[in-house]
Amino acid sequence: EAQVTQNPRYLITVTGKKLTVTCSQNMNHEYMSWYRQDPGLGLRQIYYSMNVEVTDKGDVPEGYKVSRKEKRNFPLILESPSPNQTSLYFCASSLSGRDNQPQHFGDGTRLSIL
Amino acid sequence: LAKTTQPISMDSYEGQEVNITCSHNNIATNDYITWYQQFPSQGPRFIIQGYKTKVTNEVASLFIPADRKSSTLSLPRVSLSDTAVYYCLAWENFVFGPGTRLSVLP
Repeated sequence: EAQVTQNPRYLITVTGKKLTVTCSQNMNHEYMSWYRQDPGLGLRQIYYSMNVEVTDKGDVPEGYKVSRKEKRNFPLILESPSPNQTSLYFCASSLSGRDNQPQHFGDGTRLSIL
Repeated sequence: LAKTTQPISMDSYEGQEVNITCSHNNIATNDYITWYQQFPSQGPRFIIQGYKTKVTNEVASLFIPADRKSSTLSLPRVSLSDTAVYYCLAWENFVFGPGTRLSVLP
């Protein structure tokens, strides 16, 4: 089954403790991205990747890192999480970064930073 | 930028046809119009995409007039399970606005 898989689905942690949210897709997609969703602010893009070893900042990249060493994986790294990063996070992928290629989203990761 | 504008919310009743219109006055020649559906605590799900005229699939229809400055998502005979937020995207595939919150009532 074609899917985007995120782990963990839920995480409660404390300020400053490094964490990684993994994202994997099995559709051989070139384009992958991370969003956060907050009430009243909608979906905002954090980082995206057009292909392996190519990453770019989205609208809200501060406090986040990503890497794209393999085509299927696109982990989101919070080196020193802070409470304002408490949010619902989604990973997505598409065949390419062109707008006629729909994005496939994971089920989300709910992060709570205390 | 082809910013999209759509109603913040809509109510409907089961069995009715729902039409959600999105305006995108500055859409560029190469831009596609894409609609997604999102249920609470789930990721957005692709519904339908079009460039011009009419597109239909098993879930919805998308109507795009000749000037392409707007588009209408049509959901035939909605059910309670169609209660969700619907997003219209034009231009960059990753720019999500606030969407339209559709509530289907019994």
